[in-house]
Amino acid sequence: GAVVSQHPSWVICKSGTSVKIECRSLDFQATTMFWYRQFPKQSLMLMATSNEGSKATYEQGVEKDKFLINHASLTLSTLTVTSAHPEDSSFYICSAENRGDTQYFGPGTRLTVL
Amino acid sequence: AQKITQTQPGMFVQEKEAVTLDCTYDTSDPSYGLFWYKQPSSGEMIFLIYQGSYDQQNATEGRYSLNFQKARKSANLVISASQLGDSAMYFCAMRVSYSSASKIIFGSGTRLSIRP
Repeated sequence: GAVVSQHPSWVICKSGTSVKIECRSLDFQATTMFWYRQFPKQSLMLMATSNEGSKATYEQGVEKDKFLINHASLTLSTLTVTSAHPEDSSFYICSAENRGDTQYFGPGTRLTVL
Repeated sequence: AQKITQTQPGMFVQEKEAVTLDCTYDTSDPSYGLFWYKQPSSGEMIFLIYQGSYDQQNATEGRYSLNFQKARKSANLVISASQLGDSAMYFCAMRVSYSSASKIIFGSGTRLSIRP
């Protein structure tokens, strides 16, 4: 299957700092990328959908000013957690698809905010 | 409302036995897709199998098969000849349409443990 990478795989930061997570589709062009959040022992919750070159669509209850998403190219989307706090600690997973094809998931990024 | 329901939070199965993981869904869309993903302890989401709502035959991928019963709105995953490496979380998911795009919603997951 297609390969999606995420960087970093884990990050620890101090409260109040911003953290950027990258999601790349390595062997296909991703017209749409998705960002999910997963708390321990829970399911994946969709945060936002990003289409290349346009503004992201956020799910209800997700603060767009806190979780900044940029999808600058067909192979890269970034999620920036601004002014991170301990409650933002979670597992963040991105996925990518090409024109409604199967979504392929990245390996995830574990964020710990101290 | 569009929803995916997995009623088995955890299951224990003896190695080499077959196991069925339950999934029911609810949608008013005539066209939808159903997925199963495996998530080992490393956290990565591994795509297992896909069933389109208009597919006439049940999907199969190696040891995985999807028992699709459209009238009952169920899409159970069957794993034949289970292996120790099958121990993981399993998520049923459904592609739903909104506006001009689509998204995938996930069930709560089933933790499968294979006993040697």
